[in-house]
Amino acid sequence: AQSVTQPDIHITVSEGASLELRCNYSYGATPYLFWYVQSPGQGLQLLLKYFSGDTLVQGIKGFEAEFKRSQSSFNLRKPSVHWSDAAEYFCAVATGSNFGNEKLTFGTGTRLTIIP
Amino acid sequence: DGGITQSPKYLFRKEGQNVTLSCEQNLNHDAMYWYRQDPGQGLRLIYYSQIVNDFQKGDIAEGYSVSREKKESFPLTVTSAQKNPTAFYLCASWDPSYNEQFFGPGTRLTVL
Repeated sequence: AQSVTQPDIHITVSEGASLELRCNYSYGATPYLFWYVQSPGQGLQLLLKYFSGDTLVQGIKGFEAEFKRSQSSFNLRKPSVHWSDAAEYFCAVATGSNFGNEKLTFGTGTRLTIIP
Repeated sequence: DGGITQSPKYLFRKEGQNVTLSCEQNLNHDAMYWYRQDPGQGLRLIYYSQIVNDFQKGDIAEGYSVSREKKESFPLTVTSAQKNPTAFYLCASWDPSYNEQFFGPGTRLTVL
């Protein structure tokens, strides 16, 4: 069965520093991968997604992620974090045969704290 | 504006009572989903529906029920059989134009 692992439960970063959030997946077929962000008490917002093609994908709010098939990873990065980036981040893999009406399997999330 | 509405944002119920959470979308999406979120456990799929009058169990369906009588609506009932119903519940739909799940704002259910 498919699974997603986010090994870091909580990360603290200084404002202006770089960020990398780790995500590893387990899925037999070609994965479709997503990163979502959630502010406290809110729904999830999509940051970026990978389907095929260029393995480095750009998203909103200055985030990017790189798909590495050999490592089964899809790590999220940002060169310089802002205080407003403090939130919880979820990695997810889509599972479905026809890529329509997909189910997503989520990781357990990484909570990001930004210190001044 | 198109989107998903979940109401109410906060819901309190006594133990042993059934409660229904509302989810409405005006995005014209066929597929809709219900997730449960607990601290440190991420999102877990309860039920999903790919089309009107059809739905399937997710990973943690026990103690929950759904209906899909209209394309726009996918209500979730938390029954008294659910052992630990206090959680944050998120409704979502699949956007086929952008190939992504679009989420509602969530309902926090507290059972006293």
